Amino acid sequence: GAVVSQHPSRVICKSGTSVKIECRSLDFQATTMFWYRQFPKKSLMLMATSNEGSKATYEQGVEKDKFLINHASLTLSTLTVTSAHPEDSSFYICSARGGRAEGYTFGSGTRLTVV
Amino acid sequence: GQQLNQSPQSMFIQEGEDVSMNCTSSSIFNTWLWYKQDPGEGPVLLIALYKAGELTSNGRLTAQFGITRKDSFLNISASIPSDVGIYFCAGRLTGANSKLTFGKGITLSVRP
Repeated sequence: GAVVSQHPSRVICKSGTSVKIECRSLDFQATTMFWYRQFPKKSLMLMATSNEGSKATYEQGVEKDKFLINHASLTLSTLTVTSAHPEDSSFYICSARGGRAEGYTFGSGTRLTVV
Repeated sequence: GQQLNQSPQSMFIQEGEDVSMNCTSSSIFNTWLWYKQDPGEGPVLLIALYKAGELTSNGRLTAQFGITRKDSFLNISASIPSDVGIYFCAGRLTGANSKLTFGKGITLSVRP
């Protein structure tokens, strides 16, 4: 149990366009989901925490207007990178809390490349 | 933000050897977690620890929650090639929306 599906796994987009990444909990209800960004050979950097039905809580330094998070249901959270810029290129990973007591199940990540 | 200390950044071992990784923090955590990340994938939970002093095993993996609640170690015995990857420790405080604080990770290479 406790499977988190993240889609797409890879996406290439042009500068100025927007990209949506989906994170779904497949076999449990996720009241809280977390979005991370990871640079090559670096640790996971928490971007924001989203709770179902309420506004996301963003970490310091993360632009909420650029990284739009929606957690409209107990099984789906989306991250939209708006007006993408090459510096937004990164590996984005979601995590959902729920299911087993340990809580934090990660998606398989999305490699975003902005050209 | 706060990070846990993991060092060295990389470790190289021979297949069959044991390896131990340490994780330290200046702050107390109520839960310690160890994750493994393969290239291009999300982290996968290896072991979760909930009590100070707790020693938990998962196959060839053994992890301990330090008595001071400021450290944890992970031991891998009889390493095999598929143990290659990045190993992250993570700490968590108790709370409804408690975030995980991650270490920088240790990249493990196993020579056949």
